[in-house]
Amino acid sequence: QLQLLESGPGLVKPSETLSLSCTVSGGSISGSAYYWGWIRQPPGKGLEWIANIYYTGSTYYNPSLKSRVTMSVDTSKNQFSLRLSSVTAADTAVYYCARRTTTVVSSWFDTWGQGTLVTVSS
Amino acid sequence: QSVLTQPPSVSAAPGQKVTISCSGSSSNIGNNYVSWYQQLPGTAPKLLIYDNNKRPSGIPDRFSGSKSGTSGTLGITGLQTGDEADYHCGTWDSSLSAEVFGGGTKLTVL
Repeated sequence: QLQLLESGPGLVKPSETLSLSCTVSGGSISGSAYYWGWIRQPPGKGLEWIANIYYTGSTYYNPSLKSRVTMSVDTSKNQFSLRLSSVTAADTAVYYCARRTTTVVSSWFDTWGQGTLVTVSS
Repeated sequence: QSVLTQPPSVSAAPGQKVTISCSGSSSNIGNNYVSWYQQLPGTAPKLLIYDNNKRPSGIPDRFSGSKSGTSGTLGITGLQTGDEADYHCGTWDSSLSAEVFGGGTKLTVL
């Protein structure tokens, strides 16, 4: 059974860089039909997509966050990561990693991690 | 402000049926497939519906999805108290080149 687990600091200071990792177990991160993504949810609000990455390292980012976001993948560790720079209080949210199944015409997030709360505060 | 529009809340009695709408535009729902996610209190979202109307293995047929034009709809029949959750719709937006979600709908089973 595929499982995803987020890890990283729960508290980040304003203007610093948020760094999170997602470890995939029960399956390979190198599957051809899958992208791997980050989605966040500010307290009491809806979901916001951040970025996706393919196992080859190909990425695409939310245009509204693109200037501050970097995703990377480490296939040897079955892990992918997120870096979000110059954070502010508006970046406080629960951050989820997820697997995105992709076909020729559609895609969906079929497996999610449990989420990790990141608070931006001094 | 979410790209997709959902009602903030819906409610119905146990055993009844409820529908949740998700309104978009030609750049997202109008030309792409809709997925739906259930988020029970304090937990991560869970895939309920993909490709507008397909259910993953293990999702009961009380849950259904449909799409017409630039709107998607989630239907839940035989409501149970355990269905109380937030429901989110999502799709790809071809103009934004981004995954987009609705603001979420809180379902209360009275």
